[in-house]
Amino acid sequence: GQNIDQPTEMTATEGAIVQINCTYQTSGFNGLFWYQQHAGEAPTFLSYNVLDGLEEKGRFSSFLSRSKGYSYLLLKELQMKDSASYLCAVILTGGGNKLTFGTGTQLKVEL
Amino acid sequence: DAGITQSPRHKVTETGTPVTLRCHQTENHRYMYWYRQDPGHGLRLIHYSYGVKDTDKGEVSDGYSVSRSKTEDFLLTLESATSSQTSVYFCAISEGAPNEKLFFGSGTQLSVL
Repeated sequence: GQNIDQPTEMTATEGAIVQINCTYQTSGFNGLFWYQQHAGEAPTFLSYNVLDGLEEKGRFSSFLSRSKGYSYLLLKELQMKDSASYLCAVILTGGGNKLTFGTGTQLKVEL
Repeated sequence: DAGITQSPRHKVTETGTPVTLRCHQTENHRYMYWYRQDPGHGLRLIHYSYGVKDTDKGEVSDGYSVSRSKTEDFLLTLESATSSQTSVYFCAISEGAPNEKLFFGSGTQLSVL
């Protein structure tokens, strides 16, 4: 399979900022998604990056560096409801442009 | 919310029995996918469909088959269930190619005893 690496778990404090990193192999890169998944629920779309730079959407931002094979999801003003798993997913042209998911980062927001 | 319905939501079955999971969409989206989600593996693609009667294998297709006779329905069949197929199964749809965002169904928790 294609290697997509994310930290397994992170803990942060309500009101703080947290950065969740994702690294992937650069060969054949064709886009990167972030999804949020609350326990027992379906994943929901957060962001999509295909060009280098920062995409901001409210409290959430996503950054991409194609040359480094690196992305991060930045969550500001953390709220308890942000406790969830955050999934990085990459489109690679090898194998027919399919989407490959990382194993996800479980974020716990504490008081 | 995207109109995606998965059925059943929960199922317990015995090893060796056939099982069919159904995904129904009301969005008229062309692309439909079946994923399984297991601890330590993330979401893995089982099969996908580009349209009616047009399906292809994903990375973990062994032991699974699919059918799409209508745009709105995508069926996943386990011909002879095994304990290794105990998992949460998600159906997803997208309007376009893989660089379009996915909308997921609520999932089916399948236990094979």
